[in-house]
Amino acid sequence: KAGVTQTPRYLIKTRGQQVTLSCSPISGHRSVSWYQQTPGQGLQFLFEYFSETQRNKGNFPGRFSGRQFSNSRSEMNVSTLELGDSALYLCASSLERGLTEAFFGQGTRLTVV
Amino acid sequence: GQNFDQPTEMTATEGAIVQINCTYQTSGFNGLFWYQQHAGEAPTFLSYNVLDGLEEKGRFSSFLSRSKGYSYLLLKELQMKDSASYLCAVNSGNTPLVFGKGTRLSVIA
Repeated sequence: KAGVTQTPRYLIKTRGQQVTLSCSPISGHRSVSWYQQTPGQGLQFLFEYFSETQRNKGNFPGRFSGRQFSNSRSEMNVSTLELGDSALYLCASSLERGLTEAFFGQGTRLTVV
Repeated sequence: GQNFDQPTEMTATEGAIVQINCTYQTSGFNGLFWYQQHAGEAPTFLSYNVLDGLEEKGRFSSFLSRSKGYSYLLLKELQMKDSASYLCAVNSGNTPLVFGKGTRLSVIA
């Protein structure tokens, strides 16, 4: 079966712009989590969606937002981009919430200039 | 809060055995996961431990001591392709995985 698909793979944006990233989970998976990965901080949790509802949110400013659609696909949006937002954004899908294995997409590499 | 401690980098020789340690302090605990991430690629699942003890899976084994907040990943018969980052992560119930910063392993000939 198809894995987790993230689009686009690479993105270059200018400070102040906004960006939308997309994640299609594995078919049948209902939980989608987003992470930001930077060399210095590792994988940091952004938010988790399950059944179209945000269930958990990490310690990120309100410029970071997301949503999940009825088909479990998820998008995350970052407004008023800052240089420090340059990172690899990873999406992970799980069958259910809780103690289940998470499968990661290839990520979107965002560069803010 | 959640705190993890993993060595930042390790180097080991092809064919050898290496142990990557992870200590954690979390507000809850349901299980500990290990992921492998090659440079420029997505993390992939290696193993998870719910109960104390050793879980063996081919060349990879993972150990957990819940009372000590300690886990290790053991890689045997190292191969060059094992050069990657190894991330430990904790699940605390109905929350997503929280990850440590990872250990970058270099396997040399």
